[in-house]
Amino acid sequence: SSELTQDPAVSVALGQTVRITCQGDSLRSHYAAWYQQKSGQAPVLVIYGKNSRPSGIPDRFSGSSSGNTASLTITGAQAEDEGDYYCNSRDSGGFRWVFGGGTKLTVL
Amino acid sequence: QVQLVQSGPEVKKPGASVKVSCKASGYTFIGYHMHWVRQAPGQGLEWMGIINPSGGRADYAQKFQGRVTVTRDTSTSTVYMELSSLRSEDTAVYFCARDNSDGGSYWWFDPWGQGSLVTVSS
Repeated sequence: SSELTQDPAVSVALGQTVRITCQGDSLRSHYAAWYQQKSGQAPVLVIYGKNSRPSGIPDRFSGSSSGNTASLTITGAQAEDEGDYYCNSRDSGGFRWVFGGGTKLTVL
Repeated sequence: QVQLVQSGPEVKKPGASVKVSCKASGYTFIGYHMHWVRQAPGQGLEWMGIINPSGGRADYAQKFQGRVTVTRDTSTSTVYMELSSLRSEDTAVYFCARDNSDGGSYWWFDPWGQGSLVTVSS
């Protein structure tokens, strides 16, 4: 079982806003990073740190954190945002890394 | 540009070992740690271990302790992940990913290699 917990699936209407959450004790001490993975491809970093986006990631992606919960928000979801989203951070001991179980995002 | 290129697919029998490579380019190899992550078919991402290419020290997830060895060759900017005593449950895509950090409270994996499929089957 993962130390980071995500909802298995979330759906959003095209153009609407969706929030994907990640819960875990280690998030009280460490920020989460978020990755998008499309079928058959390697994961791609979309958010890291407090709320930083790598170059090339649209500004409709944003991140936030409160207590033991990190969130990834997509404001104005597009069809190309469909895929699996994973959070990751240090583990509760702070020595290793863990991933959440992943959230499958469907854009309706 | 920063790039990680992994070795090709492998088919192994149960009990055998596999060694997957990850060749880095576009940055100072010894300046960044490297992670290994795997993904079984239809499953999520699972962190396996990390190596500091500068000194060669590696650390592993408890689940893989004793079965995985991560090494590096600084002359070719290549990191290797060897997994032994393979079983069918080890069938997965194995990714390398460069570690990045602000030096304090956050880390991120970027970029990722393209993945290497390892199939364990008798």
